[in-house]
Amino acid sequence: SQQGEEDPQALSIQEGENATMNCSYKTSINNLQWYRQNSGRGLVHLILIRSNEREKHSGRLRVTLDTSKKSSSLLITASRAADTASYFCATDGMDTGFQKLVFGTGTRLLVSP
Amino acid sequence: DTEVTQTPKHLVMGMTNKKSLKCEQHMGHRAMYWYKQKAKKPPELMFVYSYEKLSINESVPSRFSPECPNSSLLNLHLHALQPEDSALYLCASSRGTTNPGTDTQYFGPGTRLTVL
Repeated sequence: SQQGEEDPQALSIQEGENATMNCSYKTSINNLQWYRQNSGRGLVHLILIRSNEREKHSGRLRVTLDTSKKSSSLLITASRAADTASYFCATDGMDTGFQKLVFGTGTRLLVSP
Repeated sequence: DTEVTQTPKHLVMGMTNKKSLKCEQHMGHRAMYWYKQKAKKPPELMFVYSYEKLSINESVPSRFSPECPNSSLLNLHLHALQPEDSALYLCASSRGTTNPGTDTQYFGPGTRLTVL
């Protein structure tokens, strides 16, 4: 299965600290995306990084991609209580003909005031 | 309008009931998706419609029947469900390209389904 593995499964930090979560996947990809999900709600797209990119920034988010290791990381800087959510990586796998997104297992982030 | 709407928000049904979930988008997207999500798990793809045609069915049991009446609407008809089908059902849409897996997907808030 293409499903990405994310670690840690859960992360608890204080406001102002940085949060880093990692994603590993199995087959070649075109893109890797990160989504956020507040409890029991729909997912919100955060950022997309293409296979020929190594790093991308969006506001307090920094995403890296290492295709040789088939891994990506999401860094949230200066975290806020409102960042509390689950974060999923998602990949379009060559094994699916790039026809669908497959979501990773997710990291549950808790940011305490 | 960058919103995907889903109705109802919550649904409780018995195993003999027939019900439908509805999803709507007005972003001009030509790909629409149904996902099932259990607690503390990632979303699992069920169906993909591309240009109003069913393009992916992830071996979903026939008690789930999708329908795409037009490019803005997506329904999921439910019949004779089992308690293990209780989950959050998410609808999403994307632009619709040759490789829809590469698209950014826009999700609705979901329907929380409980099967008694």
